[in-house]
Amino acid sequence: RKEVEQDPGPFNVPEGATVAFNCTYSNSASQSFFWYRQDCRKEPKLLMSVYSSGNEDGRFTAQLNRASQYISLLIRDSKLSDSATYLCVVFPGGSYIPTFGRGTSLIVHP
Amino acid sequence: GAVVSQHPSRVICKSGTSVKIECRSLDFQATTMFWYRQFPKKSLMLMATSNEGSKATYEQGVEKDKFLINHASLTLSTLTVTSAHPEDSSFYICSAPGTGTGNTIYFGEGSWLTVV
Repeated sequence: RKEVEQDPGPFNVPEGATVAFNCTYSNSASQSFFWYRQDCRKEPKLLMSVYSSGNEDGRFTAQLNRASQYISLLIRDSKLSDSATYLCVVFPGGSYIPTFGRGTSLIVHP
Repeated sequence: GAVVSQHPSRVICKSGTSVKIECRSLDFQATTMFWYRQFPKKSLMLMATSNEGSKATYEQGVEKDKFLINHASLTLSTLTVTSAHPEDSSFYICSAPGTGTGNTIYFGEGSWLTVV
């Protein structure tokens, strides 16, 4: 089993839709979790951190489920500009080296 | 905020030549930097961890003699792809951990290498 797994998609949704991605991790001692956004042929950029209590930033909501070992990202009212690949990043417990998921591709169409 | 700068952003080289990619932390010191490789539609693959003043730590399967990493100062790490072949063509990206709390990662802009 891979350390961090994501459904690669693509998720094809119309503008205004709500879409959710999950990311599972295998190391139960993992401490820090993030969602990054990567546009085509560009470097990843931090979208949001994922806290145990959940985290909301505008149309984006991130949640952590430690019992089931997954994090989620919910995007409401999708915009065309949300089209990108969303990377799940997990720091295994005691490690400063992040582990990346392969990314989930989102395509928002008119 | 902290910035990591990577150069060049794009490079085309002939087979058999060597290419150097630089990664600089612009307003903070980075004792550690990470070098990744990414193929189209694939995840970032950690190649090596660059440590200032000491040898890099390479991931399993990464050829040390082919991908030379030097971290000579607290703000500069370099990756040299030696004797490049077309299969080395890829997106190479560096990152550095931030100095604050929360495991922040700062990425360079990435370098597209094409070997012809």
